[in-house]
Amino acid sequence: QVQLQESGPGLVKPSQTLSLTCTVSGGSISSGDYYWSWIRQPPGKGLEWIGYIYYSGSTYYNPSLKSRVTISVDTSKNQFSLKLSSVTAADTAVYYCARDRDGDWAVDYWGQGTLVTVSS
Amino acid sequence: DIQMTQSPSSLSASVGDRVTITCQASQDISNYLNWYQQKPGKAPKLLIYDASNLETGVPSRFSGSGSGTDFTFTISSLQPEDIATYYCQQEFTFGPGTKVDIK
Repeated sequence: QVQLQESGPGLVKPSQTLSLTCTVSGGSISSGDYYWSWIRQPPGKGLEWIGYIYYSGSTYYNPSLKSRVTISVDTSKNQFSLKLSSVTAADTAVYYCARDRDGDWAVDYWGQGTLVTVSS
Repeated sequence: DIQMTQSPSSLSASVGDRVTITCQASQDISNYLNWYQQKPGKAPKLLIYDASNLETGVPSRFSGSGSGTDFTFTISSLQPEDIATYYCQQEFTFGPGTKVDIK
């Protein structure tokens, strides 16, 4: 059974960089059949795709966030990471790491989510 | 960019009722449409992929149909545990969600 677990600070100051890591267990991040994504959800609002990374390192970023987002992968640790720079209160959200399937873009496994609050 | 709309934004129905949610894409997306259920405080759960395929382990009262720009998600007999928000998704875009409550 694949499991994903987010980790990182729950509080970030405005203008700083939000950093989260997702640890994958029960499956290899190097499997070619999946993409590894970050998705966020502001409190009381809908879901927003931040971006994804393939095990090879190729990435896709949401155009609305592209200038501030970096997603990286460490296959040796079976982890992938998110960095979001110059955060504001609008970046306060539950951040999910997730696995999505090549071909149908269905997100079949999700982390439990971690709330990141941007506040001074 | 492809935009996704859902209707209604919320609904109330009785246990045992048939519930239908629609999702519309701003352009033809073939059958590349997935549906999720999200309960409060939980991560979303994949229910339907490729418009009409039931994900393994998902009860058969859930179903999906459609292609092109217009899609439908149906709960054939609403159960108390189905209270949740339902989202459609196409590639990197989610619909705004439909909140389902018990009347």
